[in-house]
Amino acid sequence: EVQLVESGGGLVQPGGSLRLSCAASGFTFSSYAMHWVRQAPGKGLEYVSAISSNGGSTYYANSVKGRFTISRDNSKNTLDLQMGSLRAEDMAVYYCARDAEAANWYFDLWGRGTLVTVSS
Amino acid sequence: SYELTQPPSVSVSPGQTARITCSGDALPKQYAYWYQQKPGQAPVLVIYKDSERPSGIPERFSGSSSGTTVTLTISGVQAEDEADYYCQSADSSGLVFGGGTKLTVL
Repeated sequence: EVQLVESGGGLVQPGGSLRLSCAASGFTFSSYAMHWVRQAPGKGLEYVSAISSNGGSTYYANSVKGRFTISRDNSKNTLDLQMGSLRAEDMAVYYCARDAEAANWYFDLWGRGTLVTVSS
Repeated sequence: SYELTQPPSVSVSPGQTARITCSGDALPKQYAYWYQQKPGQAPVLVIYKDSERPSGIPERFSGSSSGTTVTLTISGVQAEDEADYYCQSADSSGLVFGGGTKLTVL
């Protein structure tokens, strides 16, 4: 089955760190760029980060630049998001998503998401 | 920063046509994409490249573009179409989502 499964969410204090993971299965992971998108409780979707298929290029939204690091391991079919200096406004459900087509960033496969709660 | 503007809500009766708009300055030059999100679920792509429909998406979903506005049209709305809908596009500064539109089926 083609799917993405996120893990690693949980409760973290402001200023703390957390590492999210996304396990891909059912498709050739190494052929696709991958993304993270988040959604604060009761709010809309917000783009977070992207990584190219070979991991050589990354992109970050201004809101997380310098605090988050995206990476991937094509041998293990996993995508990670290392989050640091977490703030209350980072609290959200984090989705990993597959890039549908090179040169046009949009998402044809999403995981179910993992919730990150930032609170003291 | 680049913004996409959607109406917060749209309401229609079953069987009617729902139209959800999304406006943005870069839309004449950039493709738009639409996602459907039901409560507690991940988003699902329903329209890509302004008007293309992914396999498995019902034919009642269609998209169009005119100038700085793109429109998601749902013909013959069904109760199961009640959801939040988000447009998405990009410009030189990055990728952006609209604020979302809650479609209510009366």
